[in-house]
Amino acid sequence: GAGVSQSPRYKVAKRGQDVALRCDPISGHVSLFWYQQALGQGPEFLTYFQNEAQLDKSGLPSDRFFAERPEGSVSTLKIQRTQQEDSAVYLCASSLSPSSYEQYFGPGTRLTVT
Amino acid sequence: DQQVKQNSPSLSVQEGRISILNCDYTNSMFDYFLWYKKYPAEGPTFLISISSIKDKNEDGRFTVFLNKSAKHLSLHIVPSQPGDSAVYFCAAGGQGSTLGRLYFGRGTQLTVWP
Repeated sequence: GAGVSQSPRYKVAKRGQDVALRCDPISGHVSLFWYQQALGQGPEFLTYFQNEAQLDKSGLPSDRFFAERPEGSVSTLKIQRTQQEDSAVYLCASSLSPSSYEQYFGPGTRLTVT
Repeated sequence: DQQVKQNSPSLSVQEGRISILNCDYTNSMFDYFLWYKKYPAEGPTFLISISSIKDKNEDGRFTVFLNKSAKHLSLHIVPSQPGDSAVYFCAAGGQGSTLGRLYFGRGTQLTVWP
């Protein structure tokens, strides 16, 4: 079956622009995570959804970051007024249930802020 | 503070030999550990996991060992193959935080040469 997909794969934004990154999780997966991966680092947690409910957003670095999953499937991560330090790969992952630790990742969106 | 640490940024092994990748963690609340493999321009791919109630889990050429008293785990790949060349991430999850949230190390680049 289809895995997790993300779009766009690459995004270049001028500083101050808003961007929206999309994630399509595996069908039927209840849990959805967003991670940020800076160059040379491991993925770092941003936020977590269980169905449409955002249960943890403690990893979002500032109030410029906003995520939603209105119908419990597709999710969008929005970054307002992008800054250079937002440049990173943004990874989306889904898992079957809240008790399942095995997460399946999409290919990521590489965001470059110039 | 990094709760999951991979202290070796790189490892080079000859084809056919054993690869041993190491990982240390600091949070005693972690009760589930995973290894992910990542090729360039792709998202991390789940490889193998282990629950804290076990000390070993094996899947084909891949074995993960967990030493809870030392807060240390390792991934053994035997025999190593050139296609195993990738970045390997250690990840941990636990009851003390958002269900399913994973903490990642910085990764180890494995190179298997013929």
